[in-house]
Amino acid sequence: AQSVTQLDSHVSVSEGTPVLLRCNYSSSYSPSLFWYVQHPNKGLQLLLKYTSAATLVKGINGFEAEFKKSETSFHLTKPSAHMSDAAEYFCVVSDQNNKFYFGSGTKLNVKP
Amino acid sequence: GAGVSQSPSNKVTEKGKDVELRCDPISGHTALYWYRQSLGQGLEFLIYFQGNSAPDKSGLPSDRFSAERTGGSVSTLTIQRTQQEDSAVYLCASRVDRFRGGYTFGSGTRLTVV
Repeated sequence: AQSVTQLDSHVSVSEGTPVLLRCNYSSSYSPSLFWYVQHPNKGLQLLLKYTSAATLVKGINGFEAEFKKSETSFHLTKPSAHMSDAAEYFCVVSDQNNKFYFGSGTKLNVKP
Repeated sequence: GAGVSQSPSNKVTEKGKDVELRCDPISGHTALYWYRQSLGQGLEFLIYFQGNSAPDKSGLPSDRFSAERTGGSVSTLTIQRTQQEDSAVYLCASRVDRFRGGYTFGSGTRLTVV
């Protein structure tokens, strides 16, 4: 069975400081993993995805995530937060039938 | 229930037929969202309901798509005269309300139009 745990419901950082959004998953096989972002009043937007190629995945807007099988983690990072990064972020795992399992989301607040 | 339930999990339909997709949100969650993910695409917002307020239908791609939510609970997404480009995974999510609580997503309905 697949499941996703986002360890922090809220994260607050200052503009210009690093961002770390944590995600752990459980999967009975090699999963595909995604990070999505949702800005207020917008739909979900794909940031990046891991599909068994390079373990370090680069996405849009300077975000990246590293797949660590030994830790069953897929944490999202960005070296320097921008005010426009304030949004809600979702970690997602898909199974072999391409069904999606979502974490409960992490709200990122960026302080000036 | 304990989670968001969607049915059917898979649906194959002929082009031109109507389909109904069902979402059972978590009891007490007033906000309900529909998304879809087409092959190779990101998630696309379709519609959301918040309590008794008028739904936000801004993401519905055409007038063939409609959704309703009866009694503030179960929601049905209807696609009339299906087209092949409607093939996608349709996801439902619920939340305590628009501002509070984490999203809980169903595992989706895979729609294939042949």
